[in-house]
Amino acid sequence: LAKTTQPISMDSYEGQEVNITCSHNNIATNDYITWYQQFPSQGPRFIIQGYKTKVTNEVASLFIPADRKSSTLSLPRVSLSDTAVYYCLVPPGRSSNTGKLIFGQGTTLQVKP
Amino acid sequence: DAMVIQNPRYQVTQFGKPVTLSCSQTLNHNVMYWYQQKSSQAPKLLFHYYDKDFNNEADTPDNFQSRRPNTSFCFLDIRSPGLGDAAMYLCATSRGGGGGPYEQYFGPGTRLTVT
Repeated sequence: LAKTTQPISMDSYEGQEVNITCSHNNIATNDYITWYQQFPSQGPRFIIQGYKTKVTNEVASLFIPADRKSSTLSLPRVSLSDTAVYYCLVPPGRSSNTGKLIFGQGTTLQVKP
Repeated sequence: DAMVIQNPRYQVTQFGKPVTLSCSQTLNHNVMYWYQQKSSQAPKLLFHYYDKDFNNEADTPDNFQSRRPNTSFCFLDIRSPGLGDAAMYLCATSRGGGGGPYEQYFGPGTRLTVT
């Protein structure tokens, strides 16, 4: 499974846009890029998933360049409640019966007032 | 609401005393996963069930076992807990089959303390 590298921590202020970049140099053709969010003492929660180019939902956007060796999670106008750990993962796609998740270290985002 | 339920939320056990954690789901998902998350670390996959098929991760200690008696329930058994097994244990579910990867839905976790 592809290994991911992301910053250990980031700080931001309320109302700013936050971009978290993840490196996955050995991503396989069949792998997708998935982001989860985890608050303290809770289970992770799915945020967004994509294969290429750009994906947007009501929470975030995911930008994936053509070579797919990195991706950027974009959180628009963060609030204090977005303070959490954000995990970038690359589970195998359509040829796999289960999207097994191997978590890396994650990025701890601290949003300040 | 469809959800993943874990009981108990907090469990204290003694060193070497077997303990069972439970997970149930109302999502009717084929796949159920167990993760271990130690303090300030990322979740680590222990094993998963695809329907009745058990899939163990290579580095999961033999001390950890699992049972899935039906689609809705899955249990994590720790046969002889050591102090190093103190952690949050997370259960997750997802759809399975080709066409994934599918979103995993996590329960709130059970925090295990070993005394």
